Amino acid sequence: AQKVTQAQTEISVVEKEDVTLDCVYETRDTTYYLFWYKQPPSGELVFLIRRNSFDEQNEISGRYSWNFQKSTSSFNFTITASQVVDSAVYFCALSEDAGYSTLTFGKGTMLLVSP
Amino acid sequence: DTEVTQTPKHLVMGMTNKKSLKCEQHMGHRAMYWYKQKAKKPPELMFVYSYEKLSINESVPSRFSPECPNSSLLNLHLHALQPEDSALYLCASSVPGTSHEQFFGPGTRLTVL
Repeated sequence: AQKVTQAQTEISVVEKEDVTLDCVYETRDTTYYLFWYKQPPSGELVFLIRRNSFDEQNEISGRYSWNFQKSTSSFNFTITASQVVDSAVYFCALSEDAGYSTLTFGKGTMLLVSP
Repeated sequence: DTEVTQTPKHLVMGMTNKKSLKCEQHMGHRAMYWYKQKAKKPPELMFVYSYEKLSINESVPSRFSPECPNSSLLNLHLHALQPEDSALYLCASSVPGTSHEQFFGPGTRLTVL
């Protein structure tokens, strides 16, 4: 069975600090997909990134970067120079390459960025 | 257009009422989903439609009845709900298949009195 663990329930930082959100996953499949979503207080889940299990390249998009390491089953997310608008709940999710596209979500990490 | 819309934004209903939630997307996605999300919890999958056919029902009580009238629309009919059904109901759509990201709507915040 697949599982996603986000051990950090809540993180508080001051604006301009860098912050890393941890995600550890478990799966028996060799082909799987990892996702990060952002949920601001308005409620909508915003897709941030998808990574497949065969692509371990790290990715950078503006202030966001992702570190995928199969050896440690981790897919961590770093925000550089955090801003108040980054305050949200961030979910890491996993889907396996079988059947229909069902996402297994972690419990989420609430990020609070204060001015 | 990468938007999933949901109406209404908020809904308050009594336990004897019948109401419906509506979801619409125009991205050409042929998979659509309903999720239920309680406060401080991740979304929980309720139903999946693939090519307008119900493909997954995660043992959801029959007081929730989904409908997919066409490839752009997804409804969730509600009847005789319980107060514990109060939650944020999220709709999502995607290209069918496990590798594709889902795009979520803003949700309907439901309160059952």
